Amino acid sequence: EAQLVESGGGLVKPGGSLRLSCAASGFDFNTYHLNWVRQAPGKGLEWVSYISSSSSYIYYADSVKGRFTSSRDNAKYSVFLQMSSLRAEDTGVYFCARDRGEVRPGTGTTSMDVWGQGTTVTVSS
Amino acid sequence: DIQMTQSPSTLSASVGDRVTITCRASQSIYRWVAWYQQKPGKAPKVLIYKASNLESGVPSRFSGSGSGTEFTLTINSLQPDDFATYYCQHYNTYSATFGQGTKLEIK
Repeated sequence: EAQLVESGGGLVKPGGSLRLSCAASGFDFNTYHLNWVRQAPGKGLEWVSYISSSSSYIYYADSVKGRFTSSRDNAKYSVFLQMSSLRAEDTGVYFCARDRGEVRPGTGTTSMDVWGQGTTVTVSS
Repeated sequence: DIQMTQSPSTLSASVGDRVTITCRASQSIYRWVAWYQQKPGKAPKVLIYKASNLESGVPSRFSGSGSGTEFTLTINSLQPDDFATYYCQHYNTYSATFGQGTKLEIK
């Protein structure tokens, strides 16, 4: 069974940094693209970042561009989200989600068929 | 950027009812839309992808339709397990956008 498990969340002060990890199992990680999606308390879903299977394509939401960095280690079946210059509005649950990789023009996110349980990030002084 | 306007924000219905949730895109997006169900404290679960394709394992009472700018998720014969929040998602080159969500409540 395909599974994703996030870790690394916690409490951090505004302006601080945090690194989230997502460990995959049960599928051929090297052939799948991954996404990060977040959800502020009581709010809806917000796509954050996409990283292609070989890390050739990496995209970010405008709200995190320049502050967050996605990476992956295919040998360790893991994807990471390095977050810096954190703000209160970055508070929320961060989900790692496997991209279905639908065939379509261009590159980037498609639908997401496997999700982790999420890890909570709280940015507060 | 393409905006996805989802309606209604809240929907009250009874077990056995048929309900429809709509997402409108600010410009034509072909059929690049997915629908998700989320329950409190849980991760989202994909129901429909590419506007009308039913995810494996999802009950057939769920269906999706639409193309261009208007998309719908229909749930036939509501079951107790269906009361949750639903999101549409548009996927574009370089980015993705979710609708604001529809909370489906028991009447």
